[in-house]
Amino acid sequence: DIVMTQSPLSLPVTPGEPASISCRSSQSLLHSNGYNYLDWYVQKPGQSPQVLIYLGSSRASGVPDRFSGSGSGTDFTLNISRVEAEDVGDYYCLQVLQSRTFGQGTKVEIK
Amino acid sequence: EVQLVESGGGLVQPGGSLRLSCAASGFTFSSHWMSWVRQAPGRGLEWVALIQPDGREKFTLDSVKGRFTISRDNAKNSLYLQMNNLRAEDTAVYYCARDCSKAICYPIYYYGLDVWGQGTTVTVSS
Repeated sequence: DIVMTQSPLSLPVTPGEPASISCRSSQSLLHSNGYNYLDWYVQKPGQSPQVLIYLGSSRASGVPDRFSGSGSGTDFTLNISRVEAEDVGDYYCLQVLQSRTFGQGTKVEIK
Repeated sequence: EVQLVESGGGLVQPGGSLRLSCAASGFTFSSHWMSWVRQAPGRGLEWVALIQPDGREKFTLDSVKGRFTISRDNAKNSLYLQMNNLRAEDTAVYYCARDCSKAICYPIYYYGLDVWGQGTTVTVSS
């Protein structure tokens, strides 16, 4: 089974500043088709999760362009170029190469 | 409007059973893979099960294999999770989510788990 490890688990951020979350997989998520089978999700307080990034770097419909995904193989990063107050929530990576596995989550909160 | 609505949660004693349902509307349900994801109180997201559009191929989290069964009825636009021999650690909010949009999930048909329900709460306690 693929194990997903996120860091940090807690991330205090300052509005207007950049932020990044790391996700590491126990096996490569790079498929022979050239795509990385890794998504990013956010769960805002009191809400259901929503997709931010799929297949490593594709931004989901309606997601602001301050969110971006990068990385390949076993190491991935979610970047927020300028954090806004509405970005507070729990962020998860999800591997979709072999069934599905979530990372533990990263709590993003305003300093 | 594209929508998923879960139901069937409740309070059940350890060893008991529940059947969760997820009603889909606003999209071609029969074309999509579908997932169940759960979240225990104060904990993170945990993927539980995945089913192919025609229902033949299924994947289940190891810790629930033999106890949980995912199924679907495309004629009713509905997804199900039959949960047997429930344990306290199964207590969680259970979400259904729309997954890949074609039976053979090439990258061009995958947009993430892009639609989620509001969740239904399962509490296993005596």
